[in-house]
Amino acid sequence: GDSVTQMEGPVTLSEEAFLTINCTYTATGYPSLFWYVQYPGEGLQLLLKATKADDKGSNKGFEATYRKETTSFHLEKGSVQVSDSAVYFCALSDWIQGAQKLVFGQGTRLTINP
Amino acid sequence: DSGVTQTPKHLITATGQRVTLRCSPRSGDLSVYWYQQSLDQGLQFLIQYYNGEERAKGNILERFSAQQFPDLHSELNLSSLELGDSALYFCASSPPTGGPYNEQFFGPGTRLTVL
Repeated sequence: GDSVTQMEGPVTLSEEAFLTINCTYTATGYPSLFWYVQYPGEGLQLLLKATKADDKGSNKGFEATYRKETTSFHLEKGSVQVSDSAVYFCALSDWIQGAQKLVFGQGTRLTINP
Repeated sequence: DSGVTQTPKHLITATGQRVTLRCSPRSGDLSVYWYQQSLDQGLQFLIQYYNGEERAKGNILERFSAQQFPDLHSELNLSSLELGDSALYFCASSPPTGGPYNEQFFGPGTRLTVL
């Protein structure tokens, strides 16, 4: 079945450092790809998405490009802030018989130190 | 605030018991999804309802069931609870259009502890 693999955490960086969180996927069709973020004590919220190959999703300084040839959707940010500390989930969206099914990676916990 | 509400926030119960978790979707959303988040299994899709009808099933145990009511709120029923059912249960909703590109809006979750 479809699956998503994220780089293992936790990841700890200093403020203003460059961030990359790797994500690769396995899917039989052409899924949409998402990054969700979970701040402490809250539910998940969408960070960015890409719906087809070579699309770039971006939001709040974060970017990710849908790479079909490498089945990847790596999350990047040029300069992280303490407020970016959270758990990040990569996910793919399958559309099966009229229903959307999200498959999530295991999550990567990011801590930014001032 | 996503607009999705879940009650209760915390639930502590004993093995063998039955509990009901409640979710109200965002205004206008017809789909409701249930997810289980645990340390060992990660975030797993359980079940989806669309406008009162079951639409998709994931890794949902037979001891678990759900329904969506005419006012679109949904309930997840967990019975014969085991220690391993302790987890964070999320509800999400999505708008009626957009298909596979849809963003799902997540509630704050219900933390279930089975003792």
